[in-house]
Amino acid sequence: GENVEQHPSTLSVQEGDSAVIKCTYSDSASNYFPWYKQELGKRPQLIIDIRSNVGEKKDQRIAVTLNKTAKHFSLHITETQPEDSAVYFCAASGGANNLFFGTGTRLTVIP
Amino acid sequence: KAGVTQTPRYLIKTRGQQVTLSCSPISGHRSVSWYQQTPGQGLQFLFEYFSETQRNKGNFPGRFSGRQFSNSRSEMNVSTLELGDSALYLCASSLEAAGGAYEQYFGPGTRLTVT
Repeated sequence: GENVEQHPSTLSVQEGDSAVIKCTYSDSASNYFPWYKQELGKRPQLIIDIRSNVGEKKDQRIAVTLNKTAKHFSLHITETQPEDSAVYFCAASGGANNLFFGTGTRLTVIP
Repeated sequence: KAGVTQTPRYLIKTRGQQVTLSCSPISGHRSVSWYQQTPGQGLQFLFEYFSETQRNKGNFPGRFSGRQFSNSRSEMNVSTLELGDSALYLCASSLEAAGGAYEQYFGPGTRLTVT
């Protein structure tokens, strides 16, 4: 089955700096890659996703890039703010509603 | 639209008992997926239901089962509870038109503690 690896496990940045989280996947058939943000005690919240026919997608301060050849995708957050502090999960799916998640990255934005 | 809801939010059970968790998807969503979240194993896929049929299943023992009703509401059941079943159980609903992977929206989860 699919195996998703996520790095780093923890990330601290100064407010206003950029943060980058990287994930790799093993199954070349995977074609849908969402990112979720989970604040303490809350549900995972979909923040952005990308499909395999697209190389990059942006939504305001958040962007995701996908390299199908290398089987990796990344989340980029620019101009970080304290409210960006949370655990971020990447996931991959091969065309069905069964997501394989990475192990999460705890992002701390230092004011 | 109202979001995904789950009941109960918290549950404490004893080893050997069984438990049933409920999930109501976003109105119009026909796919419901269940996930288990633990500090050690992270987020793991349990199963997915679409139109009252289990369409995908993760790598969990047969003690974990589920079903979906005609109104798309779903339940999952865990029988013969073990200490290791203590986790946050999340369901997610998805609007699906023609197969494939679609955006999944999570409920708040049910925190199950097995003692």
